[in-house]
Amino acid sequence: GAGVSQSPRYKVAKRGQDVALRCDPISGHVSLFWYQQALGQGPEFLTYFQNEAQLDKSGLPSDRFFAERPEGSVSTLKIQRTQQEDSAVYLCASSFPLLQGDEKLFFGSGTQLSVL
Amino acid sequence: AQSVTQPDIHITVSEGASLELRCNYSYGATPYLFWYVQSPGQGLQLLLKYFSGDTLVQGIKGFEAEFKRSQSSFNLRKPSVHWSDAAEYFCAVGGFRDDKIIFGKGTRLHILP
Repeated sequence: GAGVSQSPRYKVAKRGQDVALRCDPISGHVSLFWYQQALGQGPEFLTYFQNEAQLDKSGLPSDRFFAERPEGSVSTLKIQRTQQEDSAVYLCASSFPLLQGDEKLFFGSGTQLSVL
Repeated sequence: AQSVTQPDIHITVSEGASLELRCNYSYGATPYLFWYVQSPGQGLQLLLKYFSGDTLVQGIKGFEAEFKRSQSSFNLRKPSVHWSDAAEYFCAVGGFRDDKIIFGKGTRLHILP
């Protein structure tokens, strides 16, 4: 596709429910990032993949958060037993590796998660 | 660990006035530096980036930023703001050692008519 696609655009979950958020990166992009953006805050790094390898998951706030990218393209961010503090916009971004010097991060429109 | 500080949460300027948004970073090696803009309900759009070379970087929409290694700063400037520039601005840092990009908490720009 032309850009990074995220689905669903909006998700309302009851506290304790599991959710899965999907990200379709730009075709051919090796790097994929997940960020969490709370209302009025900057994007907070969650995790990063290069192809199918999860190179950094230091930003995942708890073991309820899990991300995968099994074939090196589509990625899923799963949140188990959602809590109200999980309410935020979840942003996905993709790029060629920045080591090549001139690429930039392309962001999707995000999934707005509301936990009631 | 890398980090970004944007000391101003809100900035208000009059339309036509000049603008400078501050950004300080912490990174243990040569940084890659970015400025993104986010309008309400919109995604993040890259304004400009610094990877190497000339420390004065030109971006889209008339914005520029200057990398000052001695001050660990990457301030964003525009000589004359337009009402359409009202938005949230984020500074970010990444690096050669890894591709992780860390964002600041943002500066909200308000424009007075």
